[in-house]
Amino acid sequence: EAGVVQSPRYKIIEKKQPVAFWCNPISGHNTLYWYLQNLGQGPELLIRYENEEAVDDSQLPKDRFSAERLKGVDSTLKIQPAELGDSAVYLCASSLTGSTEAFFGQGTRLTVV
Amino acid sequence: QKEVEQNSGPLSVPEGAIASLNCTYSDRGSQSFFWYRQYSGKSPELIMSIYSNGDKEDGRFTAQLNKASQYVSLLIRDSQPSDSATYLCAVNRGSNYKLTFGKGTLLTVNP
Repeated sequence: EAGVVQSPRYKIIEKKQPVAFWCNPISGHNTLYWYLQNLGQGPELLIRYENEEAVDDSQLPKDRFSAERLKGVDSTLKIQPAELGDSAVYLCASSLTGSTEAFFGQGTRLTVV
Repeated sequence: QKEVEQNSGPLSVPEGAIASLNCTYSDRGSQSFFWYRQYSGKSPELIMSIYSNGDKEDGRFTAQLNKASQYVSLLIRDSQPSDSATYLCAVNRGSNYKLTFGKGTLLTVNP
C-alpha cells in the first residue's frame, strides 16, 4: 500500500513569493491533516479535513495561508506571500475516518530567503 | 503548562540496554496516545498506540499508560543503534480533535 505522498520534497523561494505544496493521502483515508514542524519542535496542526470539508482550521494563518481539498482526495497548501519565518517542514498526514492513528508523508522542507 | 511535555534529552544508552522515554500531558480528556519515531531529516513514523491504562507490547517496544497520573511512557528493550532517533509523544481527545505533539526526546544508542 502506498503511503502519503507529498511534493515537492524541498523548496527554496525568496520572501514575498508564493509557494504551494501538494499531498496525496493513503487510499481510503478520508481525513487529511497539514502540520508544520519547526526545528526541534513537534508537529503543529495547521488544518484538518474530513473529505473536502475543513473541520479544524483554527491554527491556519488565514492572512497568508490557504488550503483546499477538491474532490476529497488530494490537497494543496499555499502560502502567499511567504515570509522568512515560514521556513519549516510542512507535513501532510492522513487517517481513516473515526481513527486517531495518523500516518505522515515525507514532508516538504521550505526555505525562505 | 504545555499540553504535552517530554524531556528533550539527549538520552544516551548503550547497545542492548533498555531505553525509557517519558511523556506527561495536561488534558484529562485525552483518549488516545501515540509514540512516533522520527529519524533526522525524515518524517514521523507511528510505532505505538495505546488507548487504555496498562502496558501494550509490540516486539521490543512497550507502551505504558497511566491516565490517573496523566503519564505515558515507551520502553525499548535490547536497544540498537538503529533506534537512535527522536521519539515524539502525541495525544488526542478523540477522532474529532487534533493530535497534539510534544517536542520529542532525542535517543542515542551507543554501540
